[in-house]
Amino acid sequence: EVQLLESGGGLVQPGGSLRLSCEASGFTFNNYAMNWVRQTPGRGLEWVSAISGSGVGTYYADSVRGRFTVSRDNSKNTLYLQIDSLRGEDTALYYCARPHLTGENYYYYMDVWGRGTTVTVSS
Amino acid sequence: DIQMTQSPSFVSASVGDRVTITCRASQGISSWLAWYQQKPGKAPRLLIYGASNLQSGVPSRFSGSGSGTHFTLTINSLQPDDFATYYCQQANSLSLTFGGGTKVEIK
Repeated sequence: EVQLLESGGGLVQPGGSLRLSCEASGFTFNNYAMNWVRQTPGRGLEWVSAISGSGVGTYYADSVRGRFTVSRDNSKNTLYLQIDSLRGEDTALYYCARPHLTGENYYYYMDVWGRGTTVTVSS
Repeated sequence: DIQMTQSPSFVSASVGDRVTITCRASQGISSWLAWYQQKPGKAPRLLIYGASNLQSGVPSRFSGSGSGTHFTLTINSLQPDDFATYYCQQANSLSLTFGGGTKVEIK
């Protein structure tokens, strides 16, 4: 079964850091680019970051560039999101999502999503 | 970033109705558009990609059309399982953006 499982969320103070993980199973992980998408009741769905299949290419939304770092370990079938300098507006449910086609740089439409991990930024 | 505007935000409909949801892009995106369905407590589900291509396993009562800046999602003969929130997403640029969502509720 194709599956993504996020972990690493939690309650953190403003200015703090977290590392989110997404473990993939049931498919050839390194054949796919991967995305992080977050969701809040107020702002809806927001694309956060993407990474190419090899990990060479990384991309970020303007709202997180410079504070978030995406990476992957293809030997462990795991995607990561390092989140630094956390702000209240980063409070959200964070999903990892797989594009519906293989390809080093194919990011565009996402057909497999995890259940998400919740990040809460509060003092 | 490309802004995606959905309308209406809320639809009240009955089983068997035809429902049409509109999504407008702030600039032309050719056919680089997807539609997702999301139910409470669940992740989004890909329904349509490339504006009009039905994702594998999605019932044929769902259809998408449009190009450029104006797109529609149509649900023919609404079923009980279709009551959910629907989002459009542009894929023309790799700063993917989503619409604000349309909630389809039972009348």
